[in-house]
Amino acid sequence: EAGVAQSPRYKIIEKRQSVAFWCNPISGHATLYWYQQILGQGPKLLIQFQNNGVVDDSQLPKDRFSAERLKGVDSTLKIQPAKLEDSAVYLCASSWDIGTDTQYFGPGTRLTVL
Amino acid sequence: QKEVEQNSGPLSVPEGAIASLNCTYSDRGSQSFFWYRQYSGKSPELIMFIYSNGDKEDGRFTAQLNKASQYVSLLIRDSQPSDSATYLCAVNEANTGNQFYFGTGTSLTVIP
Repeated sequence: EAGVAQSPRYKIIEKRQSVAFWCNPISGHATLYWYQQILGQGPKLLIQFQNNGVVDDSQLPKDRFSAERLKGVDSTLKIQPAKLEDSAVYLCASSWDIGTDTQYFGPGTRLTVL
Repeated sequence: QKEVEQNSGPLSVPEGAIASLNCTYSDRGSQSFFWYRQYSGKSPELIMFIYSNGDKEDGRFTAQLNKASQYVSLLIRDSQPSDSATYLCAVNEANTGNQFYFGTGTSLTVIP
């Protein structure tokens, strides 16, 4: 079974630029999560999808972050414009269903904002 | 008060010893509890989960859950140098629409 795929693995941009991350979950997984992990901290949930609907985006900074999951499979997370404090690893995870189900993480995208 | 709290460590134990990692959570309605291991520069990987009060064993790992006291712990028996990593506690809170909260993690070093 293929794992969660993410790209790019690394990205360096200047502040005020835009950036997009892509995630392909494990086949058949209905729930998809985007996390932000700042160095030395635990992952922070940004947004959670169930199929192609948003379940929770309460911690997503909506003035600059957006995410979509078209057709309930792949997902993209965008930052526009980026700030220095957005430097972090962005992790995508998926699970069979919402709630108590185990999440499987992708390798992450390390973003550096200069 | 943070949703999930862990002692950040670092925790050092000699090889072969028992490592004990603790986690407390704030939401009494939390339903499920997970322990993830994260090696430096890597993504988290699931060690085990626990839903019911009591102990759950999987190989060298034992998760303990006490909902009345709102804590969950992870014991690692016969610790190995390869266990050196950051251990993340995650809690699924039913009261916030099944949102997951992670602790900041406890750094464990197993000394050969």
